[in-house]
Amino acid sequence: QSVLTQPPSASGTPGQRVTISCSGSSSIIGSEDINWYQQFPGSAPKLLIYRSYERPSGVPDRISAYKSATSASLAISGLRSEDEADYYCAAWDDSLSGWVFGGGTKLTVL
Amino acid sequence: EVQLVESGGGLVQPGGSLRLSCAASGFMFSSYSFNWVRQAPGKGLEWVAYISSTGSHIYYSDSVRGRFTISRDNAKNSLYLHMSNLRGADTAVYYCASKEAMENWGQGTLVSVSA
Repeated sequence: QSVLTQPPSASGTPGQRVTISCSGSSSIIGSEDINWYQQFPGSAPKLLIYRSYERPSGVPDRISAYKSATSASLAISGLRSEDEADYYCAAWDDSLSGWVFGGGTKLTVL
Repeated sequence: EVQLVESGGGLVQPGGSLRLSCAASGFMFSSYSFNWVRQAPGKGLEWVAYISSTGSHIYYSDSVRGRFTISRDNAKNSLYLHMSNLRGADTAVYYCASKEAMENWGQGTLVSVSA
């Protein structure tokens, strides 16, 4: 069982806005930076969001992220078929001295 | 262009050993921390090990501590993962990921542990 909890699946139609949640203890979510990764089948993960809100260069601004004390969210607006992938949240856990990942959310574009 | 290339994966018997390598290029290797992350077939991502830029700080997940050793050679721009006493549960694609936010990832190398 992951320290960070994500819904196993999410879906939306083209053009819609979809959010993927990542919940955990306040000691992790509230205190640590959250990163989000996108992974296509057979490919390596790609960093989408770092430091909870920041987008690396090349990531479109229709990708955004939010965070509260116990929950983080990734939002994808203007959904496209090429957004269909697995999405993972991650954070550094000081108590474990290591990274923890959410279980991943499979996004389907209907 | 940042590039990370893993190698060294393969089929190994339970109890065996293997050394993975990650060759880096396109950035100042010695300035950044690295992680190994693995993904079992059909499963999610699992962090394995971390090493700081100088190698002075090293951390492992509970599942590999005492069996795996992470190291780096800044002169060769290379990261390593020595794995021993391998188990079936270690079967996975192993990725190296660079920088504090695991910003860059290699393509992965498959380790299969089976008799």
